[in-house]
Amino acid sequence: GAVVSQHPSRVICKSGTSVKIECRSLDFQATTMFWYRQFPKQSLMLMATSNEGSKATYEQGVEKDKFLINHASLTLSTLTVTSAHPEDSSFYICSGSPFNSNQPQHFGDGTRLSIL
Amino acid sequence: QKEVEQDPGPLSVPEGAIVSLNCTYSNSAFQYFMWYRQYSRKGPELLMYTYSSGNKEDGRFTAQVDKSSKYISLFIRDSQPSDSATYLCAMSAGIQGAQKLVFGQGTRLTINP
Repeated sequence: GAVVSQHPSRVICKSGTSVKIECRSLDFQATTMFWYRQFPKQSLMLMATSNEGSKATYEQGVEKDKFLINHASLTLSTLTVTSAHPEDSSFYICSGSPFNSNQPQHFGDGTRLSIL
Repeated sequence: QKEVEQDPGPLSVPEGAIVSLNCTYSNSAFQYFMWYRQYSRKGPELLMYTYSSGNKEDGRFTAQVDKSSKYISLFIRDSQPSDSATYLCAMSAGIQGAQKLVFGQGTRLTINP
């Protein structure tokens, strides 16, 4: 149980494009999901906490106007990288756990974003 | 000083060896301790999950938590080449659904046939 699906797995696009990444909980409901960024050979860096029905909470140094998060339902959170530039190229990963449970976070398979 | 310290390795051992991975932490509020395995270009996969101090075993994997020393370990017995991956320790203070995880840096492990 606790399967998280992330789509797309790979995106290559031109500079200035906006890219949307979806994170779905397939067999559970999540009021909170998390978005991470990971650079090669480094650990996960938390970007923001996605809250169903309310605004996301961003970590210090993360531009909320650059990384738009929407959590419109209990099974879907989206991250939109607006006007992406080469420095936004990275591996983006989401996670979630069943609402009101003591289950640990389960992660999606990540989205590799490359901005040319 | 980082909140969670983990030796990044790389660690290389022969097939069949016992592997010991560990993390130390400074925040005494942490109650939940996880080990994730991450293959290249994939998301982290949950391996072990422990609440508070103690040991937990699952097949070839054993997780240990010593809260008095603020030290956690993951042991892999009879290691296989398929165990080659990056292992991340993670921990949090409260109920999983709404609590942020704090990760170690990850240890890159290679099991040589």
